[in-house]
Amino acid sequence: QVQLVESGGGLVKPGGSLRLSCAASGLTFSAYYMSWIRQAPGKGLEWVSYISSNGTTIYYADSVRGRFTISRDNARNSLYLQMNSLRAEDTAVYFCQIGLRNWGQGTLVSVSS
Amino acid sequence: DIVMTQSPDSLAVSLGERATINCKSSQSVFYSSNNQNYLAWYQQKPGQPPKLLIYWASTRDSGVPDRFSGSGSGTDFTLTISSLQADDVAVYYCQQYYSTYTFGQGTKLEIK
Repeated sequence: QVQLVESGGGLVKPGGSLRLSCAASGLTFSAYYMSWIRQAPGKGLEWVSYISSNGTTIYYADSVRGRFTISRDNARNSLYLQMNSLRAEDTAVYFCQIGLRNWGQGTLVSVSS
Repeated sequence: DIVMTQSPDSLAVSLGERATINCKSSQSVFYSSNNQNYLAWYQQKPGQPPKLLIYWASTRDSGVPDRFSGSGSGTDFTLTISSLQADDVAVYYCQQYYSTYTFGQGTKLEIK
């Protein structure tokens, strides 16, 4: 079955950087668009970024545009999110998602001094 | 950006009774070229990722019990649980995927 495993979360100071990864298995990774979606503690879901199957089409939420960069490596079945200039309001669990159905368990990013 | 607004924010329903959650989009999510509404419903339980229940506004995902149904078109959508079970206690989200993604704010469903 499809498995998505996120990694790279942690505690970082405001203004710092983190790189999240999402390793996929159980599907033809290169055939699917992917997204990052986040959920602040006790809050709802917020879409962060989308990348097409070949990486040529990319979208970002206004809240992260210019600070976050999504990318993928189809040879490694992996999705990435480079997060720079992090702010306290970026604190959340970050999920990767393939299509609509498949979600990872999430990785927690905490931005605090 | 398309804004999704759910109502109510929370809902308490007796076991075996019907639960209804509404979702309204700020613009139509119906795509006439394929006659589909780009609207999904998710269920999320504490500590878990969301689970897809419904896509194309009314298509149940594989393995989803038939007590869950979705309806609506254009800008107004409804998720109905026909006979509430204890396992249905969760937060429910609608999502449009017509133009990037946006989610509703969520509806917390509890047992009365």
